[in-house]
Amino acid sequence: EAQVTQNPRYLITVTGKKLTVTCSQNMNHEYMSWYRQDPGLGLRQIYYSMNVEVTDKGDVPEGYKVSRKEKRNFPLILESPSPNQTSLYFCASSPGQASSYEQYFGPGTRLTVT
Amino acid sequence: GDSVTQMEGPVTLSEEAFLTINCTYTATGYPSLFWYVQYPGEGLQLLLKATKADDKGSNKGFEATYRKETTSFHLEKGSVQVSDSAVYFCALRDDKIIFGKGTRLHILP
Repeated sequence: EAQVTQNPRYLITVTGKKLTVTCSQNMNHEYMSWYRQDPGLGLRQIYYSMNVEVTDKGDVPEGYKVSRKEKRNFPLILESPSPNQTSLYFCASSPGQASSYEQYFGPGTRLTVT
Repeated sequence: GDSVTQMEGPVTLSEEAFLTINCTYTATGYPSLFWYVQYPGEGLQLLLKATKADDKGSNKGFEATYRKETTSFHLEKGSVQVSDSAVYFCALRDDKIIFGKGTRLHILP
């Protein structure tokens, strides 16, 4: 089954404790991205990757890192999480960067930073 | 820069009512337009899309037409069901991907 998977689905952590949220897709998609969803703000893009070893900042990259060492994986790294990073996070992928391509979303990771 | 504006919710309707969720956009290029739906506890999934002016996207009884003259992509459905209760996002994709803030829809039986 074609899908985007994220782990963990739920995470509660403390300020400053490094964490990684994994994202994997099995569709051989070139383009992958991370979003955060907050009430009243919709989805905002954190980082995106157009292919292996090619990443770029989205609209809200501060406090986050990403890497794209393999085509299927695109982990999101919070080196020193803070309470304002409490949010619902989604990973998404699409076949390429052409405007006509829709995105396929993972199920989400709900992160709480205390 | 590019932007998407959609009507704020929540929108509450009775079953079998007609639905319109407004979406307008600003873009310097020629974006594709999308509607995504998010059911409770799930990720977003594509509902429909249109890639050029005057295209109509349709799926599951929902429709939206890409209107370049009014820069709009309003979502419509003739008769909603309780199972349509969800959050709906309008989005455009050009050089960037921009989402609206989402509209929560409640359908009452």
